[in-house]
Amino acid sequence: DAGITQSPRHKVTETGTPVTLRCHQTENHRYMYWYRQDPGHGLRLIHYSYGVKDTDKGEVSDGYSVSRSKTEDFLLTLESATSSQTSVYFCAISESQTGLNSPLHFGNGTRLTVT
Amino acid sequence: DAKTTQPNSMESNEEEPVHLPCNHSTISGTDYIHWYRQLPSQGPEYVIHGLTSNVNNRMASLAIAEDRKSSTLILHRATLRDAAVYYCILRAQYGNKLVFGAGTILRVKS
Repeated sequence: DAGITQSPRHKVTETGTPVTLRCHQTENHRYMYWYRQDPGHGLRLIHYSYGVKDTDKGEVSDGYSVSRSKTEDFLLTLESATSSQTSVYFCAISESQTGLNSPLHFGNGTRLTVT
Repeated sequence: DAKTTQPNSMESNEEEPVHLPCNHSTISGTDYIHWYRQLPSQGPEYVIHGLTSNVNNRMASLAIAEDRKSSTLILHRATLRDAAVYYCILRAQYGNKLVFGAGTILRVKS
């Protein structure tokens, strides 16, 4: 299995509080991604990173920010959590951005509940 | 992003081959066809990908139509551990995004 660790695995928080999810990789891959998965919507890309301090938005980035100060860590922050952000969050890594030979490897997810 | 269409669900008997279809009629010339699967309570897992030619690996085979408007993931002998949601995805050659559809729920009967 690819060396991807997501923390925490489960979190319950209250509306309006800040939350940070962490993704740590040991593969030294350049690309890292945050997805959320909800019933009826499948997996949707939130943000991704193509290098240290280089990030870009995905299709559902509103209400989220990310940071990548080291190759191995990619942080997802909910500045002020809302109930609509209750979801399962997956981190993924990829060696290369091209489709030629670069599958994504996913972590096991963080289940976030905002009450 | 080009879209894919898959059946909502399929059922197979254990030890039999399974053919999971995917239609992608708007595929562009540089889109790669990727397949992932997601077991319950786990993140998606890469299965296989290809561009034009059929591909084989230890998990499955990928058969791509000559016009590339459809493809089929083949599990040669389904096991109970293959029960999962299977996603067919198109990925641009220089694309950073993987857009997941609803996928096909595969049920395997013993």
